[in-house]
Amino acid sequence: EPEVTQTPSHQVTQMGQEVILRCVPISNHLYFYWYRQILGQKVEFLVSFYNNEISEKSEIFDDQFSVERPDGSNFTLKIRSTKLEDSAMYFCASSEASKGAGGYTFGSGTRLTVV
Amino acid sequence: RKEVEQDPGPFNVPEGATVAFNCTYSNSASQSFFWYRQDCRKEPKLLMSVYSSGNEDGRFTAQLNRASQYISLLIRDSKLSDSATYLCGKTSYDKVIFGPGTSLSVIP
Repeated sequence: EPEVTQTPSHQVTQMGQEVILRCVPISNHLYFYWYRQILGQKVEFLVSFYNNEISEKSEIFDDQFSVERPDGSNFTLKIRSTKLEDSAMYFCASSEASKGAGGYTFGSGTRLTVV
Repeated sequence: RKEVEQDPGPFNVPEGATVAFNCTYSNSASQSFFWYRQDCRKEPKLLMSVYSSGNEDGRFTAQLNRASQYISLLIRDSKLSDSATYLCGKTSYDKVIFGPGTSLSVIP
């Protein structure tokens, strides 16, 4: 079964440092997403990406966040200057259909710990 | 009103029981609805899409009521392995929005 791959599985970083979270979506999917889940809380939307541009972003996705698809397979989330409150599980997802219709496939997540 | 609301539970049920979860949503323009399952510290996994006509997959039945703006999930003959958090989700513009999840524990 095709899967979405995320690396690393766990990253610890110091406050103020930049982090890049990596994702390899399913190869024939065209729509890509990042979500985060703070421990004990709901899965929150960050950003959706299609045709090499952001299609929608949430209030959480401020100037400290950016996404790109540098080589046609990887899809990355960069946090420029991490804060303690950025500590969360970050999930990448992809879907074949637009607007998530048909459902997403999520990666196994990157647990980001900011100290 | 939050876009997607769920009773967080926990629901503690004995093996073999039937359990039902409801989820209410706002914004009637949403096109698609889903139930996902999330195990502790794991990614959400799509359980089933939800249609107005209702759909069934083995022991799981999902229903959408657009007039009342809720979706439901019924689990029959629950197994220990059904213990998880169940997230309902709906499409909203270019994304899916999830509810906070309902925790289910199936007890031997």
